[in-house]
Amino acid sequence: EPEVTQTPSHQVTQMGQEVILRCVPISNHLYFYWYRQILGQKVEFLVSFYNNEISEKSEIFDDQFSVERPDGSNFTLKIRSTKLEDSAMYFCASSAVTDRSRVLTFGAGSRLTVL
Amino acid sequence: GDSVTQMEGPVTLSEEAFLTINCTYTATGYPSLFWYVQYPGEGLQLLLKATKADDKGSNKGFEATYRKETTSFHLEKGSVQVSDSAVYFCALSDPNYGQNFVFGPGTRLSVLP
Repeated sequence: EPEVTQTPSHQVTQMGQEVILRCVPISNHLYFYWYRQILGQKVEFLVSFYNNEISEKSEIFDDQFSVERPDGSNFTLKIRSTKLEDSAMYFCASSAVTDRSRVLTFGAGSRLTVL
Repeated sequence: GDSVTQMEGPVTLSEEAFLTINCTYTATGYPSLFWYVQYPGEGLQLLLKATKADDKGSNKGFEATYRKETTSFHLEKGSVQVSDSAVYFCALSDPNYGQNFVFGPGTRLSVLP
């Protein structure tokens, strides 16, 4: 069964450092997403991406965050200067369509720990 | 805006017990409804979905019926197993009002042998 692949599975970084989280969506999917889950809390939407541009973003997705699809397969989330409160599990997701039958397929997540 | 409320748990049951996890939603449009499951150390996996009123989603013995009149999508299973221990998330999606999914807070289920 097709999978969404995320790397790294766990990254530890110092506050103020830049972090790039990588995702390989399912190959025939067109819509890509990043969500995050702070430990023990709810899953929160960050950003959606379609046709090489951001289609929607939440209030969490401020100027410190950016997304990119640098080639035909990868979809990355960059945090320019990490803060302690960025510590969370980050989930990438993709979907084939955006109508009522839309299902998001999630990756296993990248755990980010900011010290 | 749209929102999802679910019983937060934790829920602890014995094997073969009946499970209900309540989920209610608030939406301005006509959303699709989902249950996702997160097993320990893993990502979110789709468990079941329903796209319109009175639809019943089912998978792996779990069921949920889209009730528009009560704005609910309660998850049920007649006989839980230890392997069902996980966190369950109710979610909605309304393409008419944006691309994102809105998730409930999750309910942790522990099934004891």
